[in-house]
Amino acid sequence: IQLTQSPSSLSASVGDRVTITCRTSQGITSFLAWYQQKPRKAPRLLIYAASTLQGGVPSRFSGNGSGTEFTLTISSLQPEDFATYYCQQLNYYPITFGQGTRLDIK
Amino acid sequence: QVQLQQWGAGLLKPSETLSLTCGVSGGSFSDYYWSWIRRAPGKGLEWIGQIDHSGNNSNNPSLKSRVTLLLDTSKSQFSLKLTSVTAADTAVYYCARVQVRWIEGWLVPDYFDYWGQGTLVTVSS
Repeated sequence: IQLTQSPSSLSASVGDRVTITCRTSQGITSFLAWYQQKPRKAPRLLIYAASTLQGGVPSRFSGNGSGTEFTLTISSLQPEDFATYYCQQLNYYPITFGQGTRLDIK
Repeated sequence: QVQLQQWGAGLLKPSETLSLTCGVSGGSFSDYYWSWIRRAPGKGLEWIGQIDHSGNNSNNPSLKSRVTLLLDTSKSQFSLKLTSVTAADTAVYYCARVQVRWIEGWLVPDYFDYWGQGTLVTVSS
């Protein structure tokens, strides 16, 4: 299953609302997760089961979607949110990730 | 608190075998699956494979038969071996814990909730 994220890169300002989209080449159920990765750090789980917020993750992060289109929304960007974001599907083997969306400060 | 600590050789020559180990502390070892992921320079995340508590492997076909995952439950460790490495295998390698859930009688991976710190492996002659 191929995952295509859009946009591939995004420039935004602190306080902005941003949405990243992940489209899958086949329909999947709810086995869709989102991760945040900062330079020289391991990925951090943000959202699983498409819309469930992982413990300790700020509520400004939210996930939505079903079928072949999923979204990650950050309601009000904070300085620590500038990073690369990946979606991941676990519905089918091999487990696959999107190509990543790099979120930069404008 | 769950922690994954990984270690292994960081510099290999082409055709050698990559060997990494991940030690798990602070949680149950047998209630999860365990996975390896890598990120090559300038590229995204690639799933390498996973091992369940019985030692059964599921690997990425893109790596063909070069991957072996092993489990040592007595030490709460799991390991990755990747044979015949080339420069294309240069990457940061991560281990991760895989949460699982029951679906229609099958135990399936759900998400990766804890990750190791990453190990840079460089393949160069």
